Amino acid sequence: DTAVSQTPKYLVTQMGNDKSIKCEQNLGHDTMYWYKQDSKKFLKIMFSYNNKELIINETVPNRFSPKSPDKAHLNLHINSLELGDSAVYFCASSRGSGGSSSGNTIYFGEGSWLTVV
Amino acid sequence: AQSVAQPEDQVNVAEGNPLTVKCTYSVSGNPYLFWYVQYPNRGLQFLLKYITGDNLVKGSYGFEAEFNKSQTSFHLKKPSALVSDSALYFCAARGSGQNFVFGPGTRLSVLP
Repeated sequence: DTAVSQTPKYLVTQMGNDKSIKCEQNLGHDTMYWYKQDSKKFLKIMFSYNNKELIINETVPNRFSPKSPDKAHLNLHINSLELGDSAVYFCASSRGSGGSSSGNTIYFGEGSWLTVV
Repeated sequence: AQSVAQPEDQVNVAEGNPLTVKCTYSVSGNPYLFWYVQYPNRGLQFLLKYITGDNLVKGSYGFEAEFNKSQTSFHLKKPSALVSDSALYFCAARGSGQNFVFGPGTRLSVLP
């Protein structure tokens, strides 16, 4: 059973389009994340949700809008795609988000490879 | 601000030899330290972590890491490298209640 699953794995789309990436975790975690990995493999957090509430929102363009319908799902919608949005987007989850949870492991999905042409 | 450094972009080692992938960190308060591995076209897989206790942490696939508080380091080690260990390795750190921060990654190549 896949712990953190995200779809689609590969996505090629034209500039200006709107696309969504879906993520689901079956680990019973209450915190979910979206990370972006650029062409140089740098990983940067984009968003984090705890119990469906947004707790981290890094300096991401507002064309990116996460939505968490429940604790087990965190979807990422991207409007008006640009060439620079081409990257690998990773969904992840962990248990808890506060100070006492700092030692909890974050588990990652397999990634969604987005190419904007 | 928190930060993680992995001073080597690339580490090459012969199969059967010991390997070390270096990591240093800067966080506020007590550090929580992690290592992940990423194989081509795959997600990040958790290898091991340090929270507290013994400075030598053992993890998956025969990997271990040593926490050194005075040097603020958490180097990943394996006594005998395998060709299948070739991958991208990420060190990550967080202080209590703070965000996860990843290092830039180190590409490990194990040569047969």
